[in-house]
Amino acid sequence: NAGVMQNPRHLVRRRGQEARLRCSPMKGHSHVYWYRQLPEEGLKFMVYLQKENIIDESGMPKERFSAEFPKEGPSILRIQQVVRGDSAAYFCASSPTPGNTEAFFGQGTRLTVV
Amino acid sequence: SQQGEEDPQALSIQEGENATMNCSYKTSINNLQWYRQNSGRGLVHLILIRSNEREKHSGRLRVTLDTSKKSSSLLITASRAADTASYFCATDDQTSGTYKYIFGTGTRLKVLA
Repeated sequence: NAGVMQNPRHLVRRRGQEARLRCSPMKGHSHVYWYRQLPEEGLKFMVYLQKENIIDESGMPKERFSAEFPKEGPSILRIQQVVRGDSAAYFCASSPTPGNTEAFFGQGTRLTVV
Repeated sequence: SQQGEEDPQALSIQEGENATMNCSYKTSINNLQWYRQNSGRGLVHLILIRSNEREKHSGRLRVTLDTSKKSSSLLITASRAADTASYFCATDDQTSGTYKYIFGTGTRLKVLA
């Protein structure tokens, strides 16, 4: 059973471009969480999704950021018109049920905006 | 806002010593989890303790939970150089009702050989 798969591992974008980060949860997991981590800091919650539904997006910036988890395929975190401040590591986690179980993390995507 | 705050922010010890990290949180929880993150890597789940549990062990790890003080501690006994990493606590956020996991700020542990 493969773990949570994130790709790409590293992504470089110029200011103004779009960044698309992908996350394939563990088999059988229908709950996906996205987090952002700046260097030497903790993980900041961004969004929690189930298949075809956004459950909680209270941590998402109001503009330029969006997330989806379609019926088929990976979850996508999309950042439009990236700025230097978007440079960070973005982690995805999945769980089989919400809350009362451990979440399994991917290795992250490190976004660098130049 | 952050749910958890770890203390200390950084800890440096000699191999063989014990390391204790503390986590405080703000709201009611169903459970609290501890994770380890090696530099530049993803998070690895260490242990989950439920709100009705007071102590849990896993190998060299011992976790305590005091819901009256809204705090938890992680003890690593007989530390090894390989334990060098950042350690985070995470709680399920009941205030929103959506059970997302909220992480603390982390303790950076360095074990010197």
